[in-house]
Amino acid sequence: AQSVTQLDSQVPVFEEAPVELRCNYSSSVSVYLFWYVQYPNQGLQLLLKYLSGSTLVESINGFEAEFNKSQTSFHLRKPSVHISDTAEYFCAVILNSGGYQKVTFGTGTKLQVIP
Amino acid sequence: NAGVTQTPKFQVLKTGQSMTLQCAQDMNHEYMSWYRQDPGMGLRLIHYSVGAGITDQGEVPNGYNVSRSTTEDFPLRLLSAAPSQTSVYFCASSPDRFNGNTIYFGEGSWLTVV
Repeated sequence: AQSVTQLDSQVPVFEEAPVELRCNYSSSVSVYLFWYVQYPNQGLQLLLKYLSGSTLVESINGFEAEFNKSQTSFHLRKPSVHISDTAEYFCAVILNSGGYQKVTFGTGTKLQVIP
Repeated sequence: NAGVTQTPKFQVLKTGQSMTLQCAQDMNHEYMSWYRQDPGMGLRLIHYSVGAGITDQGEVPNGYNVSRSTTEDFPLRLLSAAPSQTSVYFCASSPDRFNGNTIYFGEGSWLTVV
């Protein structure tokens, strides 16, 4: 079975500063990796995903994540955050082993952008 | 675009009462699921369905029941509510068997059991 670890439950950062939200996973087979974002009182929305190919994936609002197979990580980064990025971010993993596989979510990281 | 619609958004129940959380999607997705979200625990899968007439248990199925009579609807029933079921519930759907597909979430149902 796979598992996902988000070590940081909260990350405060000043506006326009860079941020990194960490995600590590464990799995004995290859995986698909996702980052979802949850704004207050809303459901989760897909931010970006890694399926195959280039290990660096980007979102439309400036976030990027890099799949590192040797370190089993998929950290989320943004070079300059905005107030509107304040949200909770969830890393998720699905086994790439065919058939229907349940997604496993991390416990989430709350990003608080300070003006 | 309606996407995934959940009702009610807020509900207060007394211990022992039963209720149904409704979920509907208009995207013709095969896969639907219910999660609960609790502080510090992320999202935990309650039940899921891979198509009409087919359901299965997730991580935390006890105290909940589901059915999938149509592709569109996937209601979650609380049989006898307990304070431990106070949580935020999310319904989700995804298109088909390809595991790289995006999961679409409803906006959540806040349930308090007193």
